Parts: sequence; structure tokens; C-alpha cells
Amino acid sequence: KNQVEQSPQSLIILEGKNCTLQCNYTVSPFSNLRWYKQDTGRGPVSLTIMTFSENTKSNGRYTATLDADTKQSSLHITASQLSDSASYICVVSAGGYQKVTFGIGTKLQVIP
Amino acid sequence: EPEVTQTPSHQVTQMGQEVILRCVPISNHLYFYWYRQILGQKVEFLVSFYNNEISEKSEIFDDQFSVERPDGSNFTLKIRSTKLEDSAMYFCASSDDLARWETQYFGPGTRLLVL
Repeated sequence: KNQVEQSPQSLIILEGKNCTLQCNYTVSPFSNLRWYKQDTGRGPVSLTIMTFSENTKSNGRYTATLDADTKQSSLHITASQLSDSASYICVVSAGGYQKVTFGIGTKLQVIP
Repeated sequence: EPEVTQTPSHQVTQMGQEVILRCVPISNHLYFYWYRQILGQKVEFLVSFYNNEISEKSEIFDDQFSVERPDGSNFTLKIRSTKLEDSAMYFCASSDDLARWETQYFGPGTRLLVL
């Protein structure tokens, strides 16, 4: 069964600090992996998308890594801001819309 | 920046009633999707729609659900006879011709509560 596991479940960090969120998946065959940011009560917003051949992709202060061999991805946030407080969701596709598997997300809270 | 819009933002209905959730995708997009997220759970794919027909649907999308693009701008999700377990946040998304579903833009969602 295709699964996407994220850790930690929740995280509190001080403003200005860095953090790393983890995503492990068992989705097969692998097509691509995306990280989304979801503010409370809002729709997810895409941060990065990576295919099998990509190891790293950056979007401003967000950097995603992918290790397709170990089926792991991470999202690194540098110099966190209060507006980074949100849930971060890892989404893996095996190809085809119904083969999309969402993680439950990591709830990040940035405090002053 | 263009965005996907959804109405209503909140809907409360009685069990067994029909509801229609509305979405206006980004104007030049050709692929449309519905997802749901039960409170505290993962986002789940429901259905994708292209060229006026369903492309793919999940096992959640049973005969109680239907989608339509009635007028070239709106994209609707109808639940014919709502059940308590249909209570969730429903997200519409759209993507353009080249990127297809890899670059989807989500709407803000409609929170449906079935009593």
C-alpha cells in the first residue's frame, strides 16, 4: 500500500531559526514528490516539485531534497519567519491522479 | 495573481440533502480537480476532470458524487444525498495545459458540515 509518513508531527521553533521536516514514502512507481504549505483553513500552496532525477530544489528560504534510493525527502526552512507557521504536506505521485498520496503534514509554529 | 475561488466558504446541511459546491478555476486552465480533507486527516483525491469528462476518480467518488462544468467557467461538485461522513473541507484545484496536475493551484476550500 502506498504510504507517505511525515515527521515530526508538530514543531515549535524560534523566529530566525532553521528547521528540517522529513518525509518517507513507499509509493511505487515513483513519479514526483511535492511539498505544499497549508495555512489553517486554506488550500495547499505548492512550494517545490521534484522528479526522480532531482536531488535538490530551492524556492526562496525553502530547500527540498530527495533521495530516491532511500525514498526520503526533506524540507529545510532557513531563517524562519512568523508567517512560516503552517502545515507542510509532502505529496508523492506514482503517476496518474488517483495514485497521489498525501502525507498528514507537519504542523510548524514559529514563535517570536 | 490569478487564483481559484470557491463558494460558499461554509455550508451546513441536513443529512440526506443535496449540496452543490462551486469553484471558479483559473481562466486558462484546462484540468480540474476536487479533493477533500476530513478534519485532522490527510487530503484525499476525489476526481479529475478534463475536456468535459472525468479523467480519473478515486474509490471515494461513488455514485453520490458528480461533477460538472456547466458554463465554461464554473466547476461544480454535487453530493446527491449527504451523509454525516461527508463533513469535510472540499478543495477545488486547477492546472494548465502544459503542467497538468503537477502544478495545481488550490482554492481556499468549502467547509461542509452535515448534521
